[in-house]
Amino acid sequence: AQSVTQLDSQVPVFEEAPVELRCNYSSSVSVYLFWYVQYPNQGLQLLLKYLSGSTLVESINGFEAEFNKSQTSFHLRKPSVHISDTAEYFCAVLGYNNNDMRFGAGTRLTVKP
Amino acid sequence: KAGVTQTPRYLIKTRGQQVTLSCSPISGHRSVSWYQQTPGQGLQFLFEYFSETQRNKGNFPGRFSGRQFSNSRSEMNVSTLELGDSALYLCASSPIPTELGPEQYFGPGTRLTVT
Repeated sequence: AQSVTQLDSQVPVFEEAPVELRCNYSSSVSVYLFWYVQYPNQGLQLLLKYLSGSTLVESINGFEAEFNKSQTSFHLRKPSVHISDTAEYFCAVLGYNNNDMRFGAGTRLTVKP
Repeated sequence: KAGVTQTPRYLIKTRGQQVTLSCSPISGHRSVSWYQQTPGQGLQFLFEYFSETQRNKGNFPGRFSGRQFSNSRSEMNVSTLELGDSALYLCASSPIPTELGPEQYFGPGTRLTVT
């Protein structure tokens, strides 16, 4: 089975500052990796995903994540955050050929003016 | 294309009652997964259905059950409710079984409060 550890439960940051949300995973098989975002009282929205190929993946709203197999990490980064990025972010892992998606505990990103 | 819809959005029940939650997947999606989200336990996988068959089940007691209909709509049922069942229940759909393709799209959730 897979597991995910999000290293920070809360990350406060000022507007326009860079941010990194850290995610490490554990798995005995190859994996797909995801970042989801959850705004208050809403479901999860897929932010970006790593399936195969290029290890750097980007979202349409400026986030990016890099798959690092040797360090089993999939950290999420944004060079300049906005107030509207305030939300909870979940890292998730899915092993090849199984249907048991595991989520991290979440990181609450708070962007302050 | 309409997203995943879940009904009801909010629900209050008392201990010992049972509850049924409904999920309508994105049109054309045949796989539906259910998750429980609580502050203490985070997101936990309940079960996945594909073509009316349960394909995988998480570590939950038998009070939690589900089913999927021929139109891919899914329901989950919780019997003999306990206070600890208070949670946000999320449904996610995908076009194919998860192990063949990982795209999952989530609904807004049903907030269940047990008193």
